[in-house]
Amino acid sequence: GQNIDQPTEMTATEGAIVQINCTYQTSGFNGLFWYQQHAGEAPTFLSYNVLDGLEEKGRFSSFLSRSKGYSYLLLKELQMKDSASYLCAPAGGYQKVTFGTGTKLQVIP
Amino acid sequence: DTEVTQTPKHLVMGMTNKKSLKCEQHMGHRAMYWYKQKAKKPPELMFVYSYEKLSINESVPSRFSPECPNSSLLNLHLHALQPEDSALYLCASSQEGTGARSYGYTFGSGTRLTVV
Repeated sequence: GQNIDQPTEMTATEGAIVQINCTYQTSGFNGLFWYQQHAGEAPTFLSYNVLDGLEEKGRFSSFLSRSKGYSYLLLKELQMKDSASYLCAPAGGYQKVTFGTGTKLQVIP
Repeated sequence: DTEVTQTPKHLVMGMTNKKSLKCEQHMGHRAMYWYKQKAKKPPELMFVYSYEKLSINESVPSRFSPECPNSSLLNLHLHALQPEDSALYLCASSQEGTGARSYGYTFGSGTRLTVV
Protein backbone atom coordinates (compact mmCIF):
# COMPACT_ATOMS: atom_id res chain seq x y z
CA GLY A 1 0.00 0.00 0.00
CA GLN A 2 0.89 3.66 -0.05
CA ASN A 3 1.16 6.16 2.79
CA ILE A 4 1.76 9.82 1.93
CA ASP A 5 2.08 12.61 4.48
CA GLN A 6 2.22 16.33 3.77
CA PRO A 7 1.07 19.38 5.75
CA THR A 8 -2.56 20.31 5.27
CA GLU A 9 -2.11 24.07 5.00
CA MET A 10 0.66 26.64 4.78
CA THR A 11 0.73 30.42 4.53
CA ALA A 12 3.56 32.46 3.06
CA THR A 13 4.18 36.03 2.02
CA GLU A 14 4.40 37.28 -1.55
CA GLY A 15 8.04 37.35 -2.68
CA ALA A 16 9.16 34.86 -0.04
CA ILE A 17 10.35 31.24 -0.30
CA VAL A 18 8.29 28.29 0.92
CA GLN A 19 9.17 24.61 1.27
CA ILE A 20 6.43 21.97 1.19
CA ASN A 21 7.52 18.64 2.63
CA CYS A 22 6.27 15.18 1.79
CA THR A 23 7.09 11.82 3.32
CA TYR A 24 5.93 8.63 1.72
CA GLN A 25 5.95 4.88 1.98
CA THR A 26 5.24 2.86 -1.13
CA SER A 27 5.41 -0.75 -2.18
CA GLY A 28 7.76 -0.24 -5.09
CA PHE A 29 9.02 3.11 -6.31
CA ASN A 30 9.09 4.60 -9.80
CA GLY A 31 9.69 8.22 -8.96
CA LEU A 32 7.73 11.05 -7.42
CA PHE A 33 5.66 13.79 -9.01
CA TRP A 34 4.51 17.16 -7.74
CA TYR A 35 1.32 18.67 -9.12
CA GLN A 36 -0.35 22.03 -8.59
CA GLN A 37 -4.14 22.22 -8.37
CA HIS A 38 -6.07 25.47 -8.20
CA ALA A 39 -9.51 25.28 -6.64
CA GLY A 40 -12.04 23.84 -9.06
CA GLU A 41 -9.41 23.05 -11.68
CA ALA A 42 -7.50 19.98 -12.83
CA PRO A 43 -4.01 19.23 -11.50
CA THR A 44 -1.08 20.46 -13.57
CA PHE A 45 2.35 18.80 -13.69
CA LEU A 46 5.19 20.60 -11.92
CA SER A 47 8.06 18.15 -11.52
CA TYR A 48 9.29 14.57 -11.49
CA ASN A 49 12.19 13.10 -9.48
CA VAL A 50 13.45 9.56 -9.70
CA LEU A 51 17.05 10.00 -8.51
CA ASP A 52 18.19 11.57 -5.27
CA GLY A 53 18.90 15.25 -5.39
CA LEU A 54 17.50 18.57 -6.43
CA GLU A 55 15.77 19.32 -9.74
CA GLU A 56 15.37 22.99 -10.53
CA LYS A 57 12.81 24.38 -12.93
CA GLY A 58 12.48 28.14 -12.86
CA ARG A 59 10.96 29.33 -9.57
CA PHE A 60 10.12 25.76 -8.58
CA SER A 61 12.57 23.11 -7.38
CA SER A 62 11.93 19.58 -6.14
CA PHE A 63 14.14 17.40 -3.97
CA LEU A 64 14.11 13.66 -3.40
CA SER A 65 15.75 11.34 -0.90
CA ARG A 66 14.76 7.77 -1.69
CA SER A 67 16.43 6.27 1.38
CA LYS A 68 14.45 8.59 3.66
CA GLY A 69 11.19 8.41 1.72
CA TYR A 70 11.23 12.20 1.62
CA SER A 71 10.64 14.92 -0.93
CA TYR A 72 10.09 18.63 -0.87
CA LEU A 73 8.86 21.27 -3.28
CA LEU A 74 10.55 24.65 -3.01
CA LEU A 75 8.78 27.70 -4.38
CA LYS A 76 10.80 30.91 -4.71
CA GLU A 77 9.70 34.52 -5.31
CA LEU A 78 6.15 33.63 -4.38
CA GLN A 79 3.38 35.23 -6.38
CA MET A 80 -0.30 35.54 -5.50
CA LYS A 81 -1.14 33.13 -8.33
CA ASP A 82 0.85 30.43 -6.51
CA SER A 83 -2.03 30.11 -4.03
CA ALA A 84 -3.19 26.56 -4.74
CA SER A 85 -2.98 23.01 -3.46
CA TYR A 86 0.29 21.16 -4.05
CA LEU A 87 -0.01 17.41 -4.41
CA CYS A 88 2.84 15.02 -3.70
CA ALA A 89 2.38 11.93 -5.87
CA PRO A 90 4.75 8.96 -5.65
CA ALA A 91 4.57 6.30 -8.33
CA GLY A 92 4.47 3.01 -6.45
CA GLY A 93 4.44 0.97 -9.61
CA TYR A 94 4.44 1.49 -13.34
CA GLN A 95 1.53 3.82 -14.18
CA LYS A 96 0.27 3.67 -10.57
CA VAL A 97 0.59 7.22 -9.32
CA THR A 98 -1.05 7.90 -5.95
CA PHE A 99 -1.76 11.47 -4.90
CA GLY A 100 -1.30 12.75 -1.37
CA THR A 101 -4.05 14.81 0.25
CA GLY A 102 -2.28 17.99 -0.80
CA THR A 103 -0.96 21.09 0.91
CA LYS A 104 -3.13 24.16 0.52
CA LEU A 105 -0.80 27.12 0.15
CA GLN A 106 -2.10 30.63 0.74
CA VAL A 107 0.11 33.48 -0.44
CA ILE A 108 -0.61 36.76 1.33
CA PRO A 109 0.50 40.27 0.34
CA ASP B 1 -3.05 20.61 -29.45
CA THR B 2 -1.84 20.12 -25.89
CA GLU B 3 -5.18 19.58 -24.19
CA VAL B 4 -7.33 16.81 -22.84
CA THR B 5 -10.99 17.56 -23.52
CA GLN B 6 -13.73 16.11 -21.34
CA THR B 7 -17.46 16.22 -21.97
CA PRO B 8 -19.85 16.96 -20.48
CA LYS B 9 -18.51 19.44 -17.91
CA HIS B 10 -21.47 18.83 -15.62
CA LEU B 11 -23.84 15.86 -15.42
CA VAL B 12 -26.81 15.14 -13.17
CA MET B 13 -28.18 11.62 -13.38
CA GLY B 14 -30.66 9.45 -11.55
CA MET B 15 -29.72 6.13 -10.00
CA THR B 16 -31.45 4.20 -12.78
CA ASN B 17 -29.92 6.16 -15.66
CA LYS B 18 -27.17 5.13 -18.06
CA LYS B 19 -24.75 7.85 -19.13
CA SER B 20 -21.26 8.13 -20.55
CA LEU B 21 -18.34 10.44 -19.90
CA LYS B 22 -16.04 11.20 -22.82
CA CYS B 23 -12.39 12.14 -22.98
CA GLU B 24 -10.32 13.06 -26.04
CA GLN B 25 -6.67 13.94 -26.64
CA HIS B 26 -4.65 14.53 -29.80
CA MET B 27 -1.16 14.64 -28.33
CA GLY B 28 -0.27 11.12 -29.48
CA HIS B 29 -0.31 9.89 -25.89
CA ARG B 30 -0.72 6.11 -25.63
CA ALA B 31 -1.62 5.97 -21.93
CA MET B 32 -4.95 7.27 -20.66
CA TYR B 33 -6.37 7.35 -17.16
CA TRP B 34 -9.60 7.85 -15.24
CA TYR B 35 -9.38 9.42 -11.78
CA LYS B 36 -12.17 10.20 -9.30
CA GLN B 37 -11.88 13.20 -6.99
CA LYS B 38 -14.22 13.93 -4.08
CA ALA B 39 -14.36 17.40 -2.56
CA LYS B 40 -11.18 18.34 -0.66
CA LYS B 41 -9.66 14.94 -1.41
CA PRO B 42 -6.86 13.97 -3.80
CA PRO B 43 -7.59 12.28 -7.14
CA GLU B 44 -7.94 8.49 -6.84
CA LEU B 45 -6.89 6.24 -9.68
CA MET B 46 -9.70 4.16 -11.23
CA PHE B 47 -8.47 2.80 -14.58
CA VAL B 48 -5.41 2.91 -16.83
CA TYR B 49 -5.35 2.15 -20.55
CA SER B 50 -2.07 1.50 -22.30
CA TYR B 51 -2.08 1.20 -26.08
CA GLU B 52 -5.87 0.91 -25.98
CA LYS B 53 -5.77 -2.04 -23.61
CA LEU B 54 -6.95 -1.94 -20.00
CA SER B 55 -3.81 -2.33 -17.90
CA ILE B 56 -5.01 -1.31 -14.44
CA ASN B 57 -8.43 -1.54 -12.74
CA GLU B 58 -8.22 -0.38 -9.14
CA SER B 59 -11.03 -2.67 -7.98
CA VAL B 60 -13.64 -0.26 -9.30
CA PRO B 61 -17.30 -1.41 -9.01
CA SER B 62 -18.77 -2.80 -12.21
CA ARG B 63 -21.28 0.05 -12.42
CA PHE B 64 -18.30 1.95 -13.91
CA SER B 65 -17.27 0.53 -17.27
CA PRO B 66 -14.34 2.03 -19.18
CA GLU B 67 -13.82 1.83 -22.91
CA CYS B 68 -10.99 2.93 -25.19
CA PRO B 69 -12.30 2.88 -28.79
CA ASN B 70 -9.05 4.24 -30.24
CA SER B 71 -5.82 5.91 -29.18
CA SER B 72 -7.44 9.35 -28.89
CA LEU B 73 -10.66 8.51 -27.07
CA LEU B 74 -11.53 7.22 -23.63
CA ASN B 75 -15.07 6.70 -22.35
CA LEU B 76 -16.49 5.91 -18.95
CA HIS B 77 -19.91 4.29 -19.06
CA LEU B 78 -22.05 4.76 -15.97
CA HIS B 79 -24.98 2.58 -14.91
CA ALA B 80 -26.97 2.29 -11.70
CA LEU B 81 -24.76 4.71 -9.78
CA GLN B 82 -25.22 5.63 -6.13
CA PRO B 83 -25.33 9.13 -4.62
CA GLU B 84 -21.89 8.50 -3.08
CA ASP B 85 -20.49 8.24 -6.61
CA SER B 86 -21.03 11.99 -6.99
CA ALA B 87 -17.58 13.46 -7.61
CA LEU B 88 -15.31 15.13 -10.16
CA TYR B 89 -14.17 12.59 -12.74
CA LEU B 90 -10.83 13.46 -14.25
CA CYS B 91 -9.34 12.03 -17.41
CA ALA B 92 -5.59 12.23 -17.99
CA SER B 93 -3.17 11.13 -20.65
CA SER B 94 0.57 10.69 -20.86
CA GLN B 95 3.34 9.40 -23.02
CA GLU B 96 4.31 5.81 -22.36
CA GLY B 97 7.50 4.86 -20.54
CA THR B 98 10.04 7.52 -19.68
CA GLY B 99 7.92 10.20 -21.33
CA ALA B 100 5.22 9.79 -18.72
CA ARG B 101 7.77 10.47 -16.05
CA SER B 102 9.52 13.34 -17.74
CA TYR B 103 6.41 15.25 -18.72
CA GLY B 104 3.84 13.98 -16.29
CA TYR B 105 0.17 13.55 -16.93
CA THR B 106 -2.01 16.06 -18.76
CA PHE B 107 -5.38 16.29 -17.07
CA GLY B 108 -8.69 17.35 -18.51
CA SER B 109 -10.83 19.83 -16.60
CA GLY B 110 -13.13 17.04 -15.47
CA THR B 111 -16.81 16.15 -15.42
CA ARG B 112 -18.65 17.12 -12.26
CA LEU B 113 -21.12 14.30 -11.69
CA THR B 114 -24.09 14.46 -9.36
CA VAL B 115 -26.14 11.33 -8.75
CA VAL B 116 -29.64 11.98 -7.42
